[in-house]
Amino acid sequence: DTGVSQNPRHKITKRGQNVTFRCDPISEHNRLYWYRQTLGQGPEFLTYFQNEAQLEKSRLLSDRFSAERPKGSFSTLEIQRTEQGDSAMYLCASNNNQGIGDTQYFGPGTRLTVL
Amino acid sequence: AQKITQTQPGMFVQEKEAVTLDCTYDTSDQSYGLFWYKQPSSGEMIFLIYQGSYDEQNATEGRYSLNFQKARKSANLVISASQLGDSAMYFCAMREEGTALIFGKGTTLSVSS
Repeated sequence: DTGVSQNPRHKITKRGQNVTFRCDPISEHNRLYWYRQTLGQGPEFLTYFQNEAQLEKSRLLSDRFSAERPKGSFSTLEIQRTEQGDSAMYLCASNNNQGIGDTQYFGPGTRLTVL
Repeated sequence: AQKITQTQPGMFVQEKEAVTLDCTYDTSDQSYGLFWYKQPSSGEMIFLIYQGSYDEQNATEGRYSLNFQKARKSANLVISASQLGDSAMYFCAMREEGTALIFGKGTTLSVSS
């Protein structure tokens, strides 16, 4: 049983460029979550999917951000026209929605640096 | 309003000692879950322990235990017999019915030999 994987692990880009991150959840998990973590803070929720449906988006997810999970398996998070304030760790997590206590399992994250 | 408060930015402990990491939370829901995660310098969030609001017993997982005081809205993590590998950031998180996980700002734990 492999864990959640994320690629790339690190991304350095120039302001104004578009970037895309990929998350592969644990294979039997139907829920997939994206979080953003800035330095010295805990992760903040961005959005989540149940299978291929995007069920909730945080107000943190500006219109420059878009996430997809086309076949209910892996997911991509794209940031268009990156800004320096987008520099953060982007974390993906997955679980099966079996109740309030169902643990979310996290990937290693993608660290984005916008120059 | 901040839902999860971790007041200790950093904690220092020697190997083999026990340490308590504080967490208080705010909710008006009766049904909620409390989680602790560990984040080493590599960045991955590692699940440690879970406590449900209706659980009468404090949760335990190996060297980790959760001191759950519902009336005080606190969910402190106790690590017994600290090891050097316990050095990391520790995050307390809460989930209410139908919501995403909400994390605190974390506590950095440093274990010395």
